[in-house]
Amino acid sequence: NAGVMQNPRHLVRRRGQEARLRCSPMKGHSHVYWYRQLPEEGLKFMVYLQKENIIDESGMPKERFSAEFPKEGPSILRIQQVVRGDSAAYFCASSPGQANTGELFFGEGSRLTVL
Amino acid sequence: QQPVQSPQAVILREGEDAVINCSSSKALYSVHWYRQKHGEAPVFLMILLKGGEQKGHEKISASFNEKKQQSSLYLTASQLSYSGTYFCGTEIRGNTPLVFGKGTRLSVIA
Repeated sequence: NAGVMQNPRHLVRRRGQEARLRCSPMKGHSHVYWYRQLPEEGLKFMVYLQKENIIDESGMPKERFSAEFPKEGPSILRIQQVVRGDSAAYFCASSPGQANTGELFFGEGSRLTVL
Repeated sequence: QQPVQSPQAVILREGEDAVINCSSSKALYSVHWYRQKHGEAPVFLMILLKGGEQKGHEKISASFNEKKQQSSLYLTASQLSYSGTYFCGTEIRGNTPLVFGKGTRLSVIA
């Protein structure tokens, strides 16, 4: 059973370009969470999605960031018009149900560098 | 709402013990512990759901003091493989995303 798959693992963008990060949850998992991690910092919650629904986006910046988890295919975190401050590692995690009933399974992360 | 972890960093020799604390300004519903090695994904260690609960796995255990709104992770007779950054994640109520602390960097040396 494959784990949580994220791609790309590394992404370099120039300021003003768009970044798309993909996350395929573990088989059978319908809940996806995105977290951002800056160097020497913890994991900051961004958004929580179930299939075709955004459940909690309280951690998402109001502008330029969006996320989706379509009925078919991976979850996508999209960052438009990237700025240097967007450089970070973005981790996706999945769970079969609500997080408090079990562990979160994290992907290896996507490391975004904005030049 | 972000939990506070202490210490920020600790260096141990193999075989020594360590305690990592996680405290919250709000009442907690649950506490989760994860370990992340450099450049890798965070890996689940354990969940504590009830006040006063203590869980353990081999030489890593944790307690959850609901009244004090804090949890502690105990690493006994540390091994080189214990090195990494330990994060606590908290919920103030059920069915909400975890809020993680800034982490405690543990280095175990021979």
